[in-house]
Amino acid sequence: GAGVSQSPSNKVTEKGKDVELRCDPISGHTALYWYRQSLGQGLEFLIYFQGNSAPDKSGLPSDRFSAERTGGSVSTLTIQRTQQEDSAVYLCASSPHPWGMNTEAFFGQGTRLTVV
Amino acid sequence: DAKTTQPTSMDCAEGRAANLPCNHSTISGNEYVYWYRQIHSQGPQYIIHGLKNNETNEMASLIITEDRKSSTLILPHATLRDTAVYYCIVRVKGGGADGLTFGKGTHLIIQP
Repeated sequence: GAGVSQSPSNKVTEKGKDVELRCDPISGHTALYWYRQSLGQGLEFLIYFQGNSAPDKSGLPSDRFSAERTGGSVSTLTIQRTQQEDSAVYLCASSPHPWGMNTEAFFGQGTRLTVV
Repeated sequence: DAKTTQPTSMDCAEGRAANLPCNHSTISGNEYVYWYRQIHSQGPQYIIHGLKNNETNEMASLIITEDRKSSTLILPHATLRDTAVYYCIVRVKGGGADGLTFGKGTHLIIQP
């Protein structure tokens, strides 16, 4: 079956512009996660959606970052007024249950965001 | 903060077993150890996970110490395509977002 799909795969934007990154999780997966990976760094947790519960936004680095998950499926990560330090690969993952309860998360290939 | 400690990098000869250690001394009784790897420019790929018993699948084996404070991922016959960053993750709380942080992992380089 299809894996986690992210679009676009690459995005170049000018400083100060808003960007939207999309994630299509695996069908039926209730949990969805956004991560950010800067060059040479590990994965930084951003936000976590679980079913219809309020998302855990504890990893969002600033109020310029927000995310939605419509209908419990597709998610959009929005970055407003982009800054050069936002340049990174943004990864999305989904899992059938809350990850860690004997189930694994599956990652997409990421969106490489470059702010110029 | 990452909840695991891994060496920054390791080398292994092609065809040999690669043994990647991970320390997770604060792990609690109902929390799993997960291993992922990330090949350059790709998303992380699931390898294996375990609770307390040793586990084996088509990719690797996972050996967890009896006190569960450390584990070792074993790639039995490493190939050049196994060169990647390997992440050891422990879910320190069930559900929720706690423990979802990846550290910097171990950069495993398979030498021909």
